Amino acid sequence: DIQMTQSPSSLSASVGDRVTITCRASQGINNYLAWYQQKPGKVPKLLIYSASTLQSGVPSRFSGSGSGTDFTLTISSLQPEDVATYYCQQYNSAPLTFGGGTKVEIK
Amino acid sequence: EVQLLESGGGLVQPGGSLRLSCAASGFTFSSYAMTWVRQAPGKGLEWVSSISGGGGGTYYADSVKGRFTISRDNSKNTLFLQMNSLRAEDTAVYYCAKDTPGGAFFDIWGLGTMVTVSS
Repeated sequence: DIQMTQSPSSLSASVGDRVTITCRASQGINNYLAWYQQKPGKVPKLLIYSASTLQSGVPSRFSGSGSGTDFTLTISSLQPEDVATYYCQQYNSAPLTFGGGTKVEIK
Repeated sequence: EVQLLESGGGLVQPGGSLRLSCAASGFTFSSYAMTWVRQAPGKGLEWVSSISGGGGGTYYADSVKGRFTISRDNSKNTLFLQMNSLRAEDTAVYYCAKDTPGGAFFDIWGLGTMVTVSS
């Protein structure tokens, strides 16, 4: 199974800050990586797929990059509504696996 | 509007069974693979099972293989998860999710249904 490791597990940043979350796969997954946002008490929402393609309707302050084993989700200017837990997911091979999540809070 | 609505969750004793349903609307159900993802209280997301659009291909996490069965009724736009031999560690919110043509990632999620396994 491919293990997905996210870092950090939590972070606190100020409104307007640039925030970066890292996801590392235990083996190469090409660019078959998705990012989800889950706000407290809500359903996960697809943000990015194919490592860097923004899902329709997602604000442009979100971006993704990477290929192979190392991937990054960046929020260019953190907003209060971005408070959430963010998960990466690989879909290169079964079983599908998620990262452990990164909780983002406002300082 | 594209929508998924789960039902069938509840409290069940260890060793018991439950059948979850997920009613789909707003898209051509039979054209898409569907997936169940679960989330234990306070924990992260865990893939459980997926099924192809026609129902001929089914896939399971090792943690549920042999105990859970995924199925679908395309005439009724409904996805199912039959859960047998339930264990305490199966306690979670179960989400159904729609796969995309581009791969096994999920663009539409249901609201989830809570399954609690406890005596």
